[in-house]
Amino acid sequence: GQQLNQSPQSMFIQEGEDVSMNCTSSSIFNTWLWYKQEPGEGPVLLIALYKAGELTSNGRLTAQFGITRKDSFLNISASIPSDVGIYFCAGPLFRDGSARQLTFGSGTQLTVLP
Amino acid sequence: EAGVAQSPRYKIIEKRQSVAFWCNPISGHATLYWYQQILGQGPKLLIQFQNNGVVDDSQLPKDRFSAERLKGVDSTLKIQPAKLEDSAVYLCASSSTGRFGYTFGSGTRLTVV
Repeated sequence: GQQLNQSPQSMFIQEGEDVSMNCTSSSIFNTWLWYKQEPGEGPVLLIALYKAGELTSNGRLTAQFGITRKDSFLNISASIPSDVGIYFCAGPLFRDGSARQLTFGSGTQLTVLP
Repeated sequence: EAGVAQSPRYKIIEKRQSVAFWCNPISGHATLYWYQQILGQGPKLLIQFQNNGVVDDSQLPKDRFSAERLKGVDSTLKIQPAKLEDSAVYLCASSSTGRFGYTFGSGTRLTVV
């Protein structure tokens, strides 16, 4: 089945540093989404990508849709304490030939040290 | 716009008891999802509704889990009887038809002891 592998599993960085994380799949995706989840809350959509090679920014966040369509990357520049949380990649899960719902990676836990 | 509402926020029950969760999606969102998120993992889909019909319940443990969305608006998810491994956060999400940018609720954290 379609599985998303995220790395790293966790990161500890100093405030002000840049962060990179990625998500890979053995299957081709035509949509990639990145979510952030803070403690006690549901995931919140950060960025959506719809085309191979696409590079999209949302403030200090930049995400890229890999040209192989099997991977995606999320970068955070100049990290701040409120960037703490779990970052999930997600993509449409296909059943019976049609996209039905999102499947999620296992997440990257980000900790920002002051 | 109001977000996805879920209740209760927390629930602690003993194994073999029953429990129910409630979700009210964003107004006008036809599609509603229930996800289970075990600690340290990503959300895993349990069931998907389109209006008041089930689109996909292939990953719902039907011997103990049930869900309904009778009027195509709010939804309830029930577990009966609960097992220890059901301890998780149960997330409800909704979306407009054909869009993947789900909006999630804050979830219900279930602890089975």
